[in-house]
Amino acid sequence: GQQVMQIPQYQHVQEGEDFTTYCNSSTTLSNIQWYKQRPGGHPVFLIQLVKSGEVKKQKRLTFQFGEAKKNSSLHITATQTTDVGTYFCAGPNSNSGYALNFGKGTSLLVTP
Amino acid sequence: ETGVTQTPRHLVMGMTNKKSLKCEQHLGHNAMYWYKQSAKKPLELMFVYNFKEQTENNSVPSRFSPECPNSSHLFLHLHTLQPEDSALYLCASSHPEGKLFFGSGTQLSVL
Repeated sequence: GQQVMQIPQYQHVQEGEDFTTYCNSSTTLSNIQWYKQRPGGHPVFLIQLVKSGEVKKQKRLTFQFGEAKKNSSLHITATQTTDVGTYFCAGPNSNSGYALNFGKGTSLLVTP
Repeated sequence: ETGVTQTPRHLVMGMTNKKSLKCEQHLGHNAMYWYKQSAKKPLELMFVYNFKEQTENNSVPSRFSPECPNSSHLFLHLHTLQPEDSALYLCASSHPEGKLFFGSGTQLSVL
């Protein structure tokens, strides 16, 4: 079945450093979504990418969707302590077509 | 508030107990989901409902039984669970192919 892989599993950075997490799917995706889960919280939607090669920015966050629509990345510039949490990518489930399969997530720790 | 409410927030149960988790959404969505999140595994899709009809059962053991009486409510009935079923159970809703709105989850401990 379809699998969504994410690396790294953990990342510890100093405040002000950049951070990138990568997501790869075993199959071509119609779209990819990114979510953030703060410690003790629930996943919260960040963004959806649909087009091949698409790049979207949200302040210090930059999201990319690969040309083949099988990989994606999230880059955070100049991390802040408020960026702490686990970042998940998710792609549509091949069975239902709209339920999401999530990657294992990348847990980001930012120290001041 | 995400518009998706889950109760209870915490639940401790023995392996012989029967309990139910409740989820309610006020967003007008047609699709509702149960996900399991444990320390060692990613968010695992358990069940999907679209317009009250179950469209997916992701090989979930029969000790988990979902119920969707209408598009706004979703239940997960639990019976004879195992300690390895201890996890955070998250409900979510969406328009089909839209973004998911998650509830705060039920932290379940099975003793």
